[in-house]
Amino acid sequence: EPEVTQTPSHQVTQMGQEVILRCVPISNHLYFYWYRQILGQKVEFLVSFYNNEISEKSEIFDDQFSVERPDGSNFTLKIRSTKLEDSAMYFCASSSQGAVLYEQYFGPGTRLTVT
Amino acid sequence: LAKTTQPISMDSYEGQEVNITCSHNNIATNDYITWYQQFPSQGPRFIIQGYKTKVTNEVASLFIPADRKSSTLSLPRVSLSDTAVYYCLVGSSNSGYALNFGKGTSLLVTP
Repeated sequence: EPEVTQTPSHQVTQMGQEVILRCVPISNHLYFYWYRQILGQKVEFLVSFYNNEISEKSEIFDDQFSVERPDGSNFTLKIRSTKLEDSAMYFCASSSQGAVLYEQYFGPGTRLTVT
Repeated sequence: LAKTTQPISMDSYEGQEVNITCSHNNIATNDYITWYQQFPSQGPRFIIQGYKTKVTNEVASLFIPADRKSSTLSLPRVSLSDTAVYYCLVGSSNSGYALNFGKGTSLLVTP
């Protein structure tokens, strides 16, 4: 069964450093998403991406965040200058169609620890 | 998106049937009800979706009454591996892209 993959599984970085989290969505999917989950809290939407542009973003997704699909397979989330409060599990997801009606397939997550 | 309300937590013994009810009083005509499951330290996973009456798949059943103001996820004969958080979401093709997970229902299955 096709699955979303994410690398690395765990990233430790110092405050102020840039990090790039990588995802390989399911190959025939066209819609891509990033969510995060701070330890013990709910899963929060960050951004959705379709046709090489952001289709929706949350208040969390400020100027410190950016997304990119650098090639035909990868989808990345960059945090320019990490803060302690960016420590969380980051999940990538993809779907064949957009809108909440359609199933989103989630990756295993990247645990980001900012020290 | 319609607001949903579900219990914060539930406990069950192995082998029992578990029913998790979700209230969505302001569900819109075009909205579907979708349930996701999240195991500890994993991403959420789609379980089941329905519009009305009853939907069943290999994992669960979803019961939706005629007024559609609530829905019940039914897990038959749970096992320890069903320990997870279960999220009820309501939306349509016009609801945007963001899944609003809320706090979900944390199900603990014990021997």
